[in-house]
Amino acid sequence: TQLLEQSPQFLSIQEGENLTVYCNSSSVFSSLQWYRQEPGEGPVLLVTVVTGGEVKKLKRLTFQFGDARKDSSLHITAAQPGDTGLYLCAGWKGNTPLVFGKGTRLSVIA
Amino acid sequence: SQTIHQWPATLVQPVGSPLSLECTVEGTSNPNLYWYRQAAGRGLQLLFYSVGIGQISSEVPQNLSASRPQDRQFILSSKKLLLSDSGFYLCAWSGGRGGPEAFFGQGTRLTVV
Repeated sequence: TQLLEQSPQFLSIQEGENLTVYCNSSSVFSSLQWYRQEPGEGPVLLVTVVTGGEVKKLKRLTFQFGDARKDSSLHITAAQPGDTGLYLCAGWKGNTPLVFGKGTRLSVIA
Repeated sequence: SQTIHQWPATLVQPVGSPLSLECTVEGTSNPNLYWYRQAAGRGLQLLFYSVGIGQISSEVPQNLSASRPQDRQFILSSKKLLLSDSGFYLCAWSGGRGGPEAFFGQGTRLTVV
């Protein structure tokens, strides 16, 4: 059973477009994190959200944690080719290892 | 600052040969350590995690084992590799009480032939 479902699995868009990717679960998490991974490298942490309803912004990236702390979204404004990569969400329930989703592979075409 | 080193970056091994991947962390003490495997650029499968020296938890029964001989050293091993062991292996650490955020090494691309 996959605790964290990410959608879409693949996304290919033109430079300048906006996009949203989702991370959903039936479980409640103490916190949720987003990572970006480029080919042949390890994932890099982008953000951690902790409070239900929390919104965090990182330049053109906006992260939101659901009110019930079961889901999250990542919105990218005016996507650029440098945004290309695999976006992974991960949930933490406290005193247990992170649970990762399968990721959304984003391709931004110039 | 904390850093994590994982080696080798790539490895090609014949079926039936042994495996040893090493991971070390600098700049922190008593980290939680993890080994993940990633297939085909998709999600991460947790293989092992450790909260202290000699303490290993296995998430998936398989042909692999892990050891933590020192506080900041984590080793992934196999006595006899299978074709299905091919994949991208990632070591990571987290700060335990300091928060759940995981920091990853550069990964090892293992190809079993």
